Amino acid sequence: KAGVTQTPRYLIKTRGQQVTLSCSPISGHRSVSWYQQTPGQGLQFLFEYFSETQRNKGNFPGRFSGRQFSNSRSEMNVSTLELGDSALYLCASSPQVGSEQFFGPGTRLTVL
Amino acid sequence: KNEVEQSPQNLTAQEGEFITINCSYSVGISALHWLQQHPGGGIVSLFMLSSGKKKHGRLIATINIQEKHSSLHITASHPRDSAVYICAVRDTGGGADGLTFGKGTHLIIQP
Repeated sequence: KAGVTQTPRYLIKTRGQQVTLSCSPISGHRSVSWYQQTPGQGLQFLFEYFSETQRNKGNFPGRFSGRQFSNSRSEMNVSTLELGDSALYLCASSPQVGSEQFFGPGTRLTVL
Repeated sequence: KNEVEQSPQNLTAQEGEFITINCSYSVGISALHWLQQHPGGGIVSLFMLSSGKKKHGRLIATINIQEKHSSLHITASHPRDSAVYICAVRDTGGGADGLTFGKGTHLIIQP
């Protein structure tokens, strides 16, 4: 089976712009979670989706949003980018909520 | 919200040594994960456990639910084990906050 894929792998944006990141889960996995990793805060939970429904949301401002499609692919969007949004954004998929997660390679976002 | 503490933060050891990384958490959990992250960012799930002990190759993970503590052991360590090891927990009650992560343990195995 192919692993979790994320696109794009690298992205450079300027403050005020918006960005959309994409995640394709392992075939058959219905749960997708998103995480932000920064040197200062480490790994932090953003969202968790299952069958197109947002199950859980982390403590992030409303500029961070996401969705999941009927084929389980997921996107996250960050609007009005700030310098502090520079981070590695990781997506993980699992068959069900609460089961073992398989991580994608991440999208490294740089905001200038 | 759960607080996850890992120790040590940094560990340098010689090839062949037995390695132990510890993780403690503050409130009840439904599961604990051990993750490995190599330079460049890729994360691999090593174990997910809710009780007892699991073994995979040279890696062993244990958890003590009463003491809210888990350990990751590496036997016969090798330079390729050099990575950041991260502990993460999902709270009981569905884990409304998703996974909560420790800060990670930076492990270097010298040949």
